Formats: sequence, structure tokens, C-alpha cells
Amino acid sequence: ETGVTQTPRHLVMGMTNKKSLKCEQHLGHNAMYWYKQSAKKPLELMFVYNFKEQTENNSVPSRFSPECPNSSHLFLHLHTLQPEDSALYLCASSPSWGGPEGGGYTFGSGTRLTVV
Amino acid sequence: QQPVQSPQAVILREGEDAVINCSSSKALYSVHWYRQKHGEAPVFLMILLKGGEQKGHEKISASFNEKKQQSSLYLTASQLSYSGTYFCGTEGRAAGNKLTFGGGTRVLVKP
Repeated sequence: ETGVTQTPRHLVMGMTNKKSLKCEQHLGHNAMYWYKQSAKKPLELMFVYNFKEQTENNSVPSRFSPECPNSSHLFLHLHTLQPEDSALYLCASSPSWGGPEGGGYTFGSGTRLTVV
Repeated sequence: QQPVQSPQAVILREGEDAVINCSSSKALYSVHWYRQKHGEAPVFLMILLKGGEQKGHEKISASFNEKKQQSSLYLTASQLSYSGTYFCGTEGRAAGNKLTFGGGTRVLVKP
């Protein structure tokens, strides 16, 4: 266990479904992130939350909707996804966002999403 | 703009050394290094904050040349456990800039 827990580990959903991914961290970190990892592509930053406030939306389509109710929990709500959205979705946390105090990221094990 | 890693893949015998490079076209504030094993989460190895800084993690060390906007990761006397995909992540000069990852370097260490 890394201290960042993601559920579910695997998810298969139809294009008309609505589902949510959950991320929880027990490290006392103040910044949380969603990354997308597709085959043969670099890790793509999707969203950044710092002290519960969204500080970065990396031009992500509106069918992905993040929610950060507190510094320990992060959700990614999914609706009307496309097959090309199939990927590994990784949650990460760090002591804070950017700068010398930012620190290294701790990643969760990810949710393997398949859109059919 | 994402950093460029080279090589894309390397195969080593146990005990051999390797170097992985990470280059950016923009001025950098910091460089992170991570290792990801198949089916697992990426694991943080080290962060380099200053130009010319070198840090180490076991027999894995790295350098950061701020002038050249590049970092190198050194795998010394490689062990089987070093196998995995290594990613560099770079932050731009502005504090709080987002961490952008390279495409990764797959490392396989054979007995």
C-alpha cells in the first residue's frame, strides 16, 4: 500500500453509463491529482486540487468531472464516455502543489477503465 | 510540452550500469524521477531542485543540469529489482507549474 487508495481497481462501463472513481490518501498531503495513462502515451495530467481548490484543468472534456470534498478524498465522475477514454486512471498526492515544498508524488495503483 | 526521454528501452545484465536521459525545451525548476513496475503504481525515486544537483536512492543516482535543461538517471550495478519503466517529470521555472512526464524508459535487468 502506498498510502493512496483507489477504487475500483477495474471498471467496465457502457458509453451511456455514469460511474465514479474514488481516491483516498492517508498521508496528510494537501495536493491531489488525476492522471490518465494510456498505452504508449506519457502520463497526462487531468486535474490538480490544492487545499481542496481546483487549480488546474488540463483541457479535459466535460464528460470527466472531478470533485474534491476535502484534502483526503478525490473523485472523478464519468458520464457518456467514449471508447478512446479507456485507460489507467491514476490518482496522486503530494505535500503541496509545486515549488520547493511540493515534494514527490505518491501514486495510487490506479483504476483500469474499459469503455465498451 | 513534455520532456523527451532516451533511450526508450534498455536491457541489462545484473551488475551492469545504464544511463537514462531526460531533456526539456523549456527552462526547468525541478525534475522528478519515478519507477513503475508492471501493474503497479509509479513510485517516487527522487526530486532534483537545483542546477547541477545530484541525489541518490540506493545505487540509483541522478544529476540535473539546469543550463542544458536536462537530467540523467544513473543505474549503477543494476539489480533484478531495478526492472520497470522509469519516468522523468519536469516542472517549469514558475513555481507551482504542473508536472509534465516524459514517455518513459523501459528497463529490463536479466540474471
